[in-house]
Amino acid sequence: GAVVSQHPSWVICKSGTSVKIECRSLDFQATTMFWYRQFPKQSLMLMATSNEGSKATYEQGVEKDKFLINHASLTLSTLTVTSAHPEDSSFYICSASSPGQGHQPQHFGDGTRLSIL
Amino acid sequence: AQTVTQSQPEMSVQEAETVTLSCTYDTSESDYYLFWYKQPPSRQMILVIRQEAYKQQNATENRFSVNFQKAAKSFSLKISDSQLGDAAMYFCAYRSGGGAQKLVFGQGTRLTINP
Repeated sequence: GAVVSQHPSWVICKSGTSVKIECRSLDFQATTMFWYRQFPKQSLMLMATSNEGSKATYEQGVEKDKFLINHASLTLSTLTVTSAHPEDSSFYICSASSPGQGHQPQHFGDGTRLSIL
Repeated sequence: AQTVTQSQPEMSVQEAETVTLSCTYDTSESDYYLFWYKQPPSRQMILVIRQEAYKQQNATENRFSVNFQKAAKSFSLKISDSQLGDAAMYFCAYRSGGGAQKLVFGQGTRLTINP
């Protein structure tokens, strides 16, 4: 089946640094990828929709300058948390869908646990 | 905007018994998809079952089945013969049939299986 790889799985860094998270579709071309954020014991909240070759669409309340998204190829989207602070600590999950497969479910990465000290 | 509501934060069931998780949604669209995802402690999102809104027949996947009531906008998940490995968070999710394929998730239900 389709596989989405997310890296790193866990990262700890100091406050003020920037962290990049990668989301790769391994066996299909993903024109659209989604980035979700999940706080402990809560649901997944969509942060942004990443479109290959164009600007990402951010959900209301998500700072686009804080969470930079790049989708430069059909197999890779990156989320960069800039000048990270402890309140950015969370679980980030990406998912991907392939073109023309609207009836198919999204494929999720395994998530990245981000801890900001 | 579409919303998904799971009114049961926690549920528990005895091993081998049957449990039903509730989900309701609100939408004005006629074309959409509904999903149940399982998230074990590893936090991996695992697709359990899906339902296309245009299909009247309820989806079934082995021990998992849904009761899709389109008019009532209800989409419950029934787990038969519960197993210890079924213990997880379960999320109900909605996706529009056209345009953006983003998922809207419910709050989740934590399912505990008692041996």
